[in-house]
Amino acid sequence: QKEVEQDPGPLSVPEGAIVSLNCTYSNSAFQYFMWYRQYSRKGPELLMYTYSSGNKEDGRFTAQVDKSSKYISLFIRDSQPSDSATYLCAMRTTGGFKTIFGAGTRLFVKA
Amino acid sequence: KAGVTQTPRYLIKTRGQQVTLSCSPISGHRSVSWYQQTPGQGLQFLFEYFSETQRNKGNFPGRFSGRQFSNSRSEMNVSTLELGDSALYLCASSLGTVRDEQYFGPGTRLTVT
Repeated sequence: QKEVEQDPGPLSVPEGAIVSLNCTYSNSAFQYFMWYRQYSRKGPELLMYTYSSGNKEDGRFTAQVDKSSKYISLFIRDSQPSDSATYLCAMRTTGGFKTIFGAGTRLFVKA
Repeated sequence: KAGVTQTPRYLIKTRGQQVTLSCSPISGHRSVSWYQQTPGQGLQFLFEYFSETQRNKGNFPGRFSGRQFSNSRSEMNVSTLELGDSALYLCASSLGTVRDEQYFGPGTRLTVT
């Protein structure tokens, strides 16, 4: 079993839809949680970074962490075709400098 | 502030050869991490350097090695290349504590024939 599970999709939604992306994890020592966006043939771009349970909002993006359920989510409101990319969740423990990534979810937003 | 830069961007090598990839972190960042990304395995951690010392290492064979220089620039080397080493190699930099955000470069796409 992988430490971080993420549905690879693809996920296809119409423009303007609310997108929900999720990851589950098994290691309760993970304390830092990140979401990255990766366009084709580019490096991952940091979108959201949280280190506690609860919600964090930044523009159209909301990151949610539920440590009791070992579950994190990224919500995208008013999705745009430019949001079409692969979204990677990532997490890290307090004791190490190794970041573990999910497989990534491929998102398509149709105009 | 300039982002993380990686050179070269593309590379084609033959089985058995060796290759060296370079990464220049964001100015002021002292930690550099390297990752391998493939369609089958996703993003996998190779190793992390801070102040010229390797602090953490992933589960890759000894053919994969790295180093960091006093200016925080880092190189990774892969010896005796195998077909399965074809991948996008990404480096990421951060200030250096476990809480710090990590920023990625554009990657080096290595093709082994």
